[in-house]
Amino acid sequence: DAMVIQNPRYQVTQFGKPVTLSCSQTLNHNVMYWYQQKSSQAPKLLFHYYDKDFNNEADTPDNFQSRRPNTSFCFLDIRSPGLGDAAMYLCATSRPGSLGYTFGSGTRLTVV
Amino acid sequence: AQSVTQLGSHVSVSEGALVLLRCNYSSSVPPYLFWYVQYPNQGLQLLLKYTSAATLVKGINGFEAEFKKSETSFHLTKPSAHMSDAAEYFCAVSQYGNKLVFGAGTILRVKS
Repeated sequence: DAMVIQNPRYQVTQFGKPVTLSCSQTLNHNVMYWYQQKSSQAPKLLFHYYDKDFNNEADTPDNFQSRRPNTSFCFLDIRSPGLGDAAMYLCATSRPGSLGYTFGSGTRLTVV
Repeated sequence: AQSVTQLGSHVSVSEGALVLLRCNYSSSVPPYLFWYVQYPNQGLQLLLKYTSAATLVKGINGFEAEFKKSETSFHLTKPSAHMSDAAEYFCAVSQYGNKLVFGAGTILRVKS
């Protein structure tokens, strides 16, 4: 089945140690999104790619970066994770204007 | 800018009772509206979406929602709650099929 896959499902990292989360898709969608969802809060958009065009939300901290080497893969890099970055990170894809968004199962990040 | 407000962070119903989860939106243009469900440590699953066709939208698992422009509402209902409906529900809005903006979520508890 076509889907969005996030690895790993659970990630534990040390305070200040760079960490990378990955997302892959078999849907061939142009747009890929990264959302951060803290405990008991709504998902909050960090950034998205439209093909190779990167779009950062205005309030996304500089500590968060992303790479999209090809259509299928997108990575979220956290340069120096703080305790406040502990959250569920959700990847989603869509075709422009299609109103069909597909979410991965998420990666729960713990910072120790 | 668009936004959604979900009234009630927690809703409790008895098994077999009506489920009503409230969502009001704010948008300067005709919105596209969505309801998602999230089980613990899972991603988001689409229940239904409004795309300016029929105002009464039927979704999966017996859920439906009605778009009411005069009330700027898109409430989610289900005639008879089942234990498996216990989860967190998010209303979301999108303009022009771009990024999703989520409400704060409503946790539904189903009592036996």
